[in-house]
Amino acid sequence: GQQVMQIPQYQHVQEGEDFTTYCNSSTTLSNIQWYKQRPGGHPVFLIQLVKSGEVKKQKRLTFQFGEAKKNSSLHITATQTTDVGTYFCAGPGDGNKLVFGAGTILRVKS
Amino acid sequence: NAGVTQTPKFQVLKTGQSMTLQCAQDMNHEYMSWYRQDPGMGLRLIHYSVGAGITDQGEVPNGYNVSRSTTEDFPLRLLSAAPSQTSVYFCASSYGVRGDEQFFGPGTRLTVL
Repeated sequence: GQQVMQIPQYQHVQEGEDFTTYCNSSTTLSNIQWYKQRPGGHPVFLIQLVKSGEVKKQKRLTFQFGEAKKNSSLHITATQTTDVGTYFCAGPGDGNKLVFGAGTILRVKS
Repeated sequence: NAGVTQTPKFQVLKTGQSMTLQCAQDMNHEYMSWYRQDPGMGLRLIHYSVGAGITDQGEVPNGYNVSRSTTEDFPLRLLSAAPSQTSVYFCASSYGVRGDEQFFGPGTRLTVL
């Protein structure tokens, strides 16, 4: 079945440094979603990308969808302690399933 | 709107016991799903439903049953709990089938001894 892989699994950065997480799918995706889960919380939707090569920004967060629609990235500029959490990508799988990546855990040292 | 609600928040079971995790949403969403979250493994789909009366299996359905008698409710049943089912369980819902924003409940932390 379709797989969604995310790297890195874990990243620890100094406050103010940049952070990037990458998502790769084994198949072409019609769309990709990104979620954030704060420690002890539940996943919360951030954004959805649909078009090949699409780039969207939300304040310090930049999301990209690859030209081949098989990969995506989330980049955070100048991390803050409020960015701490796990970031997941998700894409449509077989049938009516939504498949999540394993997530990237971000820790920020102040 | 309450959004997606889950009960209980915490539960401890003994091996072999059965229980039902409750999930309800008040947004008139057609699509509902159950995920389990284990360290390092992300969110794995257990079962999902595209509407009342329709359910299907996800990636890890063994040991779990679901039903969808109403649009609002999507309970998850553990028939005979095993230690391998110790996990955090999230229910989610969305308007559409796959391409729509998923709204997650607060989760149920389950421990099976």
